[in-house]
Amino acid sequence: SQQGEEDPQALSIQEGENATMNCSYKTSINNLQWYRQNSGRGLVHLILIRSNEREKHSGRLRVTLDTSKKSSSLLITASRAADTASYFCARGHGGGGADGLTFGKGTHLIIQP
Amino acid sequence: NAGVTQTPKFQVLKTGQSMTLQCAQDMNHNSMYWYRQDPGMGLRLIYYSASEGTTDKGEVPNGYNVSRLNKREFSLRLESAAPSQTSVYFCASSEIRRLSGANVLTFGAGSRLTVL
Repeated sequence: SQQGEEDPQALSIQEGENATMNCSYKTSINNLQWYRQNSGRGLVHLILIRSNEREKHSGRLRVTLDTSKKSSSLLITASRAADTASYFCARGHGGGGADGLTFGKGTHLIIQP
Repeated sequence: NAGVTQTPKFQVLKTGQSMTLQCAQDMNHNSMYWYRQDPGMGLRLIYYSASEGTTDKGEVPNGYNVSRLNKREFSLRLESAAPSQTSVYFCASSEIRRLSGANVLTFGAGSRLTVL
């Protein structure tokens, strides 16, 4: 079953605006990761936040995590046309295990020039 | 670096035919995975291999078999394809990050399979 659910399913904004995507999950996590998928391509890892962290930055990306609400958000600032893609959150089970990640259904982001 | 390489990129099968999707990684990762991606469903884990010589079922293993041939290669086999297996299949490999203990995946470009 899907453990990570992104919201909204689709988002269309103007270039230069900020884009915010949310992710909710149901069970405890060790870490939460965000991936990007360009059309027709594989997923690419963007950023990881551990369960004991509340906020993380990487370039134009900002991720927050609220474990009490079981939710995370991904903010892309000053969006560009090249940011058009689908974004997925993935729950890491942690504990050093290699049993894969559980992905949500994704948010499809369109940046309009 | 090639990363994760999947073959074939596209395949059309008739119901009941068999085929094998090949995957190889050159990053010396211990763990490898097969996911399928369907519209509106996100990615679902089919099988994974935590290390060479081991394989385990994921969320949707029915109708599939896997082989971890060596550390580099992990294949997915459909013995008798069904239309419900029409999907895009992704192979991934991973490293466990020392500081966080997190499992970060590197994906291949995908294999689009259509079963008629």
